Amino acid sequence: DGGITQSPKYLFRKEGQNVTLSCEQNLNHDAMYWYRQDPGQGLRLIYYSQIVNDFQKGDIAEGYSVSREKKESFPLTVTSAQKNPTAFYLCASNRQNTEAFFGQGTRLTVV
Amino acid sequence: KQEVTQIPAALSVPEGENLVLNCSFTDSAIYNLQWFRQDPGKGLTSLLLIQSSQREQTSGRLNASLDKSSGRSTLYIAASQPGDSATYLCAVSGNTPLVFGKGTRLSVIA
Repeated sequence: DGGITQSPKYLFRKEGQNVTLSCEQNLNHDAMYWYRQDPGQGLRLIYYSQIVNDFQKGDIAEGYSVSREKKESFPLTVTSAQKNPTAFYLCASNRQNTEAFFGQGTRLTVV
Repeated sequence: KQEVTQIPAALSVPEGENLVLNCSFTDSAIYNLQWFRQDPGKGLTSLLLIQSSQREQTSGRLNASLDKSSGRSTLYIAASQPGDSATYLCAVSGNTPLVFGKGTRLSVIA
């Protein structure tokens, strides 16, 4: 089946730890995106990439890092510099200016 | 900076009613507008995409309209069912990636 796969579904982070969220797509889409969702705040853009080996910061990039070494993959690292990482993280992809598709999300909790 | 607003924030209706969800955006220079559905704890499911050159799109009991000049879109749901209960999000795409509203939480009561 074509689609976007995010893993893991649930992730727990200790204070001071870096964690990486996986996002893989087999839709042959050029563009990929990471959004963060908090209750009552809607979705906010963290990073996006329109082509391999290139990415841009979104509205809330501080404390996060990404890489885009392959077209299919766009992992997000939540670093220790992100002071409030507990949230629901959503990955999406599309061809330019066409319908966007989302993964099922990763819920990150600080313990 | 593009801003998207959805009204109402929450809506509760009896089963069988027709209903309208509203979405407004501040910058009319968009490529398209997309409506999504989100169930609790899940990702987003795309419902309808309207290109900027289009006025409306239909899928089953759903009809979405777009008035780009006034910065408004509506999602019409006919003959609502309890299974329609979810949060509905609209998002616009322009020179930046999708910008989202905060959503309308819909409850359809049997």
